[in-house]
Amino acid sequence: KQEVTQIPAALSVPEGENLVLNCSFTDSAIYNLQWFRQDPGKGLTSLLLIQSSQREQTSGRLNASLDKSSGRSTLYIAASQPGDSATYLCAVRRGTDKLIFGTGTRLQVFP
Amino acid sequence: EAGVTQFPSHSVIEKGQTVTLRCDPISGHDNLYWYRRVMGKEIKFLLHFVKESKQDESGMPNNRFLAERTGGTYSTLKVQPAELEDSGVYFCASSLNRAQETQYFGPGTRLLVL
Repeated sequence: KQEVTQIPAALSVPEGENLVLNCSFTDSAIYNLQWFRQDPGKGLTSLLLIQSSQREQTSGRLNASLDKSSGRSTLYIAASQPGDSATYLCAVRRGTDKLIFGTGTRLQVFP
Repeated sequence: EAGVTQFPSHSVIEKGQTVTLRCDPISGHDNLYWYRRVMGKEIKFLLHFVKESKQDESGMPNNRFLAERTGGTYSTLKVQPAELEDSGVYFCASSLNRAQETQYFGPGTRLLVL
């Protein structure tokens, strides 16, 4: 059974810091991994999708890496801003289409 | 291009009542998914439609939940009768293709059963 864990559960940092959010999964046989952000009371916004054959994806200040063999992904946020405050979720997809979500990291960036 | 929309945004009902949630996927997306997050837990898969066919309904908790997607466009998720443990946020997502594509999520329906 695939399990997805995110560490840390919560993080509070001053503006400008570079951050690393971690996601680990127990079964390395995945098709892809997706990072989302969720703002309070809102839906999920897709940030990055990494296919199983890829090592990393970048979008603006965000960089996500994938090490399938070790069951790990990291989301790197450069020069964090208060607007980055949200809950960050990773989700993996295996042989079926369903996404298996992690527990999330709640990020607060203060001015 | 409009995103995934869900209606209602919030619903408060009493135990034993019926509630129907609606999801309109992104136009042209054949794949439609329902997920939910109950209090304090992670988001979990409920079911997956490809057009009007149920591809995977392994996540449906019990037979009080009924999902339909007539005509392969919008989908409804009915809970009848609702129980207290059904409270949570119900998300709908859609994707164009299957294994390779990003799933785009709607804003969710917040259901509270009293």
